[in-house]
Amino acid sequence: GNSVTQMEGPVTLSEEAFLTINCTYTATGYPSLFWYVQYPGEGLQLLLKATKADDKGSNKGFEATYRKETTSFHLEKGSVQVSDSAVYFCALRAIQGAQKLVFGQGTRLTINP
Amino acid sequence: GAVVSQHPSRVICKSGTSVKIECRSLDFQATTMFWYRQFPKQSLMLMATSNEGSKATYEQGVEKDKFLINHASLTLSTLTVTSAHPEDSSFYICSAAGTSTDTQYFGPGTRLTVL
Repeated sequence: GNSVTQMEGPVTLSEEAFLTINCTYTATGYPSLFWYVQYPGEGLQLLLKATKADDKGSNKGFEATYRKETTSFHLEKGSVQVSDSAVYFCALRAIQGAQKLVFGQGTRLTINP
Repeated sequence: GAVVSQHPSRVICKSGTSVKIECRSLDFQATTMFWYRQFPKQSLMLMATSNEGSKATYEQGVEKDKFLINHASLTLSTLTVTSAHPEDSSFYICSAAGTSTDTQYFGPGTRLTVL
């Protein structure tokens, strides 16, 4: 079946550090890939997405590239801010079937000033 | 972006009672709503998918008679946990999608504690 594996957290960085959160997936066919972010006390929000191999999703300085050969969709940001502290979820949606999303376990990120 | 609300945000109940959680799309019509459950430090697990006016489609292993889902209008879906037990304690999250199937909008979640 389809599954998503994320890097274990929590991750703690200093402001302006480089961020990578690893995400790999297992799926039949070619799924769409997503990163969602959950700020404290709020619902999940779509951060970025990619729908086919080699696509790069980007938003708010975050980027992730759909790598079919390594079945990965790692999230990166060159210089993190305190306001980036949140829980980040990698997810996939299979092309076939319903709209349902399969999530990774989430990675809690804390940025210290 | 679109806003989805959940009510209540927290609920504590006694074992054996039933609890209803509401999920509302505030500024768009949600043809499809999803209910997820999240255990501490674990992923969101899809429980069921509901389309307005139809019966919900439950994921394997989710008890239909225990987790009753109603999607009576394009802006409201409810999840009722019947005869709740301590093992039902969890964080329940809903999401809603409009006519475009591309994006789901998530509610802030409801923390259920069953004593």
